Amino acid sequence: NAGVTQTPKFQVLKTGQSMTLQCAQDMNHEYMSWYRQDPGMGLRLIHYSVGAGITDQGEVPNGYNVSRSTTEDFPLRLLSAAPSQTSVYFCASSLLADNEQFFGPGTRLTVL
Amino acid sequence: GIQVEQSPPDLILQEGANSTLRCNFSDSVNNLQWFHQNPWGQLINLFYIPSGTKQNGRLSATTVATERYSLLYISSSQTTDSGVYFCAVEDPNTDKLIFGTGTRLQVFP
Repeated sequence: NAGVTQTPKFQVLKTGQSMTLQCAQDMNHEYMSWYRQDPGMGLRLIHYSVGAGITDQGEVPNGYNVSRSTTEDFPLRLLSAAPSQTSVYFCASSLLADNEQFFGPGTRLTVL
Repeated sequence: GIQVEQSPPDLILQEGANSTLRCNFSDSVNNLQWFHQNPWGQLINLFYIPSGTKQNGRLSATTVATERYSLLYISSSQTTDSGVYFCAVEDPNTDKLIFGTGTRLQVFP
């Protein structure tokens, strides 16, 4: 199993550009989530999904969209990037919502 | 929402020393997990421990759910233990995982 994979590893955007961060898992997990990690603030939940076709907002959803058309994939979209979205983004998955979480390697995003 | 506090925020040890990291949470939770983020940024799940005690090699964890805290013990620390240790709890009202701000551990040879 590859586990949880994320692409790209690094990305630099200009303010106003859009992009999609990819996340995939091959463990047949129902629950997937996106976090951002900022210095001194731990991880904060952006969006999550309890299964294909179902998504919901976390603590800091503004400026981000998600979709879950398949069990395996959970992309995160930035429609109009802002410098405040400079962060490290982690995708995670678990069998169910209250099970052990597995994290991807992260994407370091810089918005100029 | 649930508040998660970790202490100490920073810890510096010499190789071979033991340490205890603490996680306090403000309300009842469904479960609690401990993670290690290594210096390269990778997050590894150490323990899934809603209650009781678990051990894995030199690491062990104890959660006392009724008193709303968990402890992570690291014995005979090694330089590879360096990084940030996070605890995260699941809020039973929202099913969301809430992270503490972490304990940064540095182990020197």
